[in-house]
Amino acid sequence: DIQMTQSPSALSASVGDRVTITCRASQGIKNDLAWFQQKPGKAPKRLISATYVLESGVPSRFSGSGFGTEFTLTISSPQPEDSATYFCLQHNTYPRTFGQGTKLEIK
Amino acid sequence: QVQLVQSGSELKKPGASVKVSCKASGYTFTRYAMNWVRQAPGQGLEWVGWINTHTGNPTYAPGFTGRFVFSLDTSVSTAYLQITSLKTEDTAVYYCARDSGAIDYWGQGTLVTVSS
Repeated sequence: DIQMTQSPSALSASVGDRVTITCRASQGIKNDLAWFQQKPGKAPKRLISATYVLESGVPSRFSGSGFGTEFTLTISSPQPEDSATYFCLQHNTYPRTFGQGTKLEIK
Repeated sequence: QVQLVQSGSELKKPGASVKVSCKASGYTFTRYAMNWVRQAPGQGLEWVGWINTHTGNPTYAPGFTGRFVFSLDTSVSTAYLQITSLKTEDTAVYYCARDSGAIDYWGQGTLVTVSS
């Protein structure tokens, strides 16, 4: 199975700071990686597919990059409503595997 | 718009069975596979497996074979997850999630609590 190592597990930032979350795959997955946002009690929402493709309606302050084994989600100027848990998902190989999640607090 | 609406929370005793439903709307049900994902309390997400909604063929992740069963009722655009011989460690939120080559839309989750 492909292991997805996500860091950090928790992060606190101020409005306007730049936030970076990383996922590392235990083997190459090309660009088959998605990022999701989950707020308490809500269903996860996909933000980015195929490493860098922004979903419709997602603010442009979110961006993704990477290829192979290292991937990054960046929030360029986070807002209070971006406080949530973020996780990555590799869809290159079965079984699908997720990062452990990053709990982000924006103050 | 795409919606996946899951059945409500369940409280079961060890050894019992549970069946969680996931009703899809806003798209052609049989054109997209359906995944099931588990999130135990305080834990990360685990992929349980997926079902081909066109053929009904299921695929289970290692560790989820035997007691976990996926099924469909395409006449009502609904996918089901049945778990038999429930154990306390099955306590979790179970999500259905549509697959368009990658997971895109998720249900709201169903909390299954297994306790004596």
